[in-house]
Amino acid sequence: GQQVMQIPQYQHVQEGEDFTTYCNSSTTLSNIQWYKQRPGGHPVFLIQLVKSGEVKKQKRLTFQFGEAKKNSSLHITATQTTDVGTYFCAGNSGGSNYKLTFGKGTLLTVNP
Amino acid sequence: DTAVSQTPKYLVTQMGNDKSIKCEQNLGHDTMYWYKQDSKKFLKIMFSYNNKELIINETVPNRFSPKSPDKAHLNLHINSLELGDSAVYFCASSRGQGAKGNQPQHFGDGTRLSIL
Repeated sequence: GQQVMQIPQYQHVQEGEDFTTYCNSSTTLSNIQWYKQRPGGHPVFLIQLVKSGEVKKQKRLTFQFGEAKKNSSLHITATQTTDVGTYFCAGNSGGSNYKLTFGKGTLLTVNP
Repeated sequence: DTAVSQTPKYLVTQMGNDKSIKCEQNLGHDTMYWYKQDSKKFLKIMFSYNNKELIINETVPNRFSPKSPDKAHLNLHINSLELGDSAVYFCASSRGQGAKGNQPQHFGDGTRLSIL
């Protein structure tokens, strides 16, 4: 079945440093979503990418979808303590349009 | 107003018991989901219903049985609980399929199930 791999598993940064998490799928994706889960909280939707090579920005967050639609990345510029949490990518291969396969997530911790 | 609400928030019970978790959404969404998040934070889809019809049924032991009495509710009943069932169970909902593919999923706060 479809697999979505995400690296790194953990990332610890000093406040103000940049952070990137990468997501790779074993199959071509029709779209990919990103979620953030604060410690003790629930996943919260951040963004969806649909088009090949798409780049979207949300303030300090930049999301990219690869040209082959098999990989994606989330980059945070100048991290803040409020960025702490686990970031998940979730892909859909189009077989069942309702099913998202989640990566294992990257836990980001930020040292103030 | 809470968009996706689950009850109970915490559930501590003995091995072998039967328990239910309830989920309700007031977003008017057509599709609802159950996910299991283990201790390593891995989120895995279990079931999904669209307009009360089961559309996703992953490889889940048949001790787990979902029920959707209407579009706004999706409950999960678990028989003969085992130690390995300890996890956080999240309910989520989304609109029906859109032209651009999946719709964003809105998650509840989770039910933390601990088996003694």
